[in-house]
Amino acid sequence: DTEVTQTPKHLVMGMTNKKSLKCEQHMGHRAMYWYKQKAKKPPELMFVYSYEKLSINESVPSRFSPECPNSSLLNLHLHALQPEDSALYLCASSQVVDRGHGYTFGSGTRLTVV
Amino acid sequence: EDQVTQSPEALRLQEGESSSLNCSYTVSGLRGLFWYRQDPGKGPEFLFTLYSAGEEKEKERLKATLTKKESFLHITAPKPEDSATYLCAVQATGGYQKVTFGTGTKLQVIP
Repeated sequence: DTEVTQTPKHLVMGMTNKKSLKCEQHMGHRAMYWYKQKAKKPPELMFVYSYEKLSINESVPSRFSPECPNSSLLNLHLHALQPEDSALYLCASSQVVDRGHGYTFGSGTRLTVV
Repeated sequence: EDQVTQSPEALRLQEGESSSLNCSYTVSGLRGLFWYRQDPGKGPEFLFTLYSAGEEKEKERLKATLTKKESFLHITAPKPEDSATYLCAVQATGGYQKVTFGTGTKLQVIP
């Protein structure tokens, strides 16, 4: 299995809703990432998990809450989002952090906040 | 701060017309330079990692090269299916693990 699987593919949520994005990989990678990508912009790093521990939080607002239950799963919990949070949310994984390995990205979750 | 600048922003080629995309970078020490391909509405697809000046890597019609200040992605005899946005990214040495992406080159290959 050489894929990163993200669910759901599309999500529409109101500003008072709570929802979660899910990411799964079975490549034995020990680093997992959340990125946010707006239209015609490059991916922006949000969080890095290394060996299931949060190692980087790029000053992301607390309405985004990451969780890494085990080495294969990564969640992003969403609460009280704003319309400007609408974007493509990408999960990625790599063998380890900081060794110059390329990332395997999922296809993303297209999030619309109404 | 690490910086990545890609040019051109957009490139339109006829099928079979070879060309190059440029990625200029500024980083304190280079851990790796990455090329990705991204189709609309999809996540980036990893193409290459280059680690040191002079290194070259090839995959089908694509060839990536690296100098101390820039990288080129050469596309030989492109086909319409090569149409995509090509992203360059760098990772610096040192304690910070962040990968910095450029804004990409949107390539369109016309049949």
